[in-house]
Amino acid sequence: DADVTQTPRNRITKTGKRIMLECSQTKGHDRMYWYRQDPGLGLRLIYYSFDVKDINKGEISDGYSVSRQAQAKFSLSLESAIPNQTALYFCATRQADTQYFGPGTRLTVL
Amino acid sequence: GDSVTQMEGPVTLSEEAFLTINCTYTATGYPSLFWYVQYPGEGLQLLLKATKADDKGSNKGFEATYRKETTSFHLEKGSVQVSDSAVYFCALSDQGGKLIFGQGTELSVKP
Repeated sequence: DADVTQTPRNRITKTGKRIMLECSQTKGHDRMYWYRQDPGLGLRLIYYSFDVKDINKGEISDGYSVSRQAQAKFSLSLESAIPNQTALYFCATRQADTQYFGPGTRLTVL
Repeated sequence: GDSVTQMEGPVTLSEEAFLTINCTYTATGYPSLFWYVQYPGEGLQLLLKATKADDKGSNKGFEATYRKETTSFHLEKGSVQVSDSAVYFCALSDQGGKLIFGQGTELSVKP
């Protein structure tokens, strides 16, 4: 079984809809991250969490919110999706200086 | 702020060719440096890393040396295979422990 899982793997939604992307990990790591990947821009950090009670904004947090429901779960929400949020979204955990990535969620906002 | 710059892709090579993907960085202090690889349809995987100047990271035939004097961490492989086709990301770990990524370089290896 994969150590970091993301659901759904693909999602198509409409402008204005609320959507949640979920991430679960079995690695037992405290630190978790959400990134988005856009062609030619690499990965950009949206939010990160050092533990259940510690959540921090990243480089591009506007339009997004997160919830750390437990050590193993870290969800990303788009309250009102817009087309420029169409991207590939990755969750990651971290131990020491190494990050471990999930398989990604491809989100399309029409 | 901290940043990472990679050579633009796509890079297309024939099997058994020599690979170099350039990476330079700007950072406060002495960050750890990483190469991550993303195979089609998958998430990123750590390929190799180096934590201090002159360290060489290596894995699966790939190598990169942390050069403080040129602020570089170029990725090399002596003989690429079709299975090396992927997107390669250079990254640094900033003072807060967050990863800063380059824009990625797509590599395509033809038989």
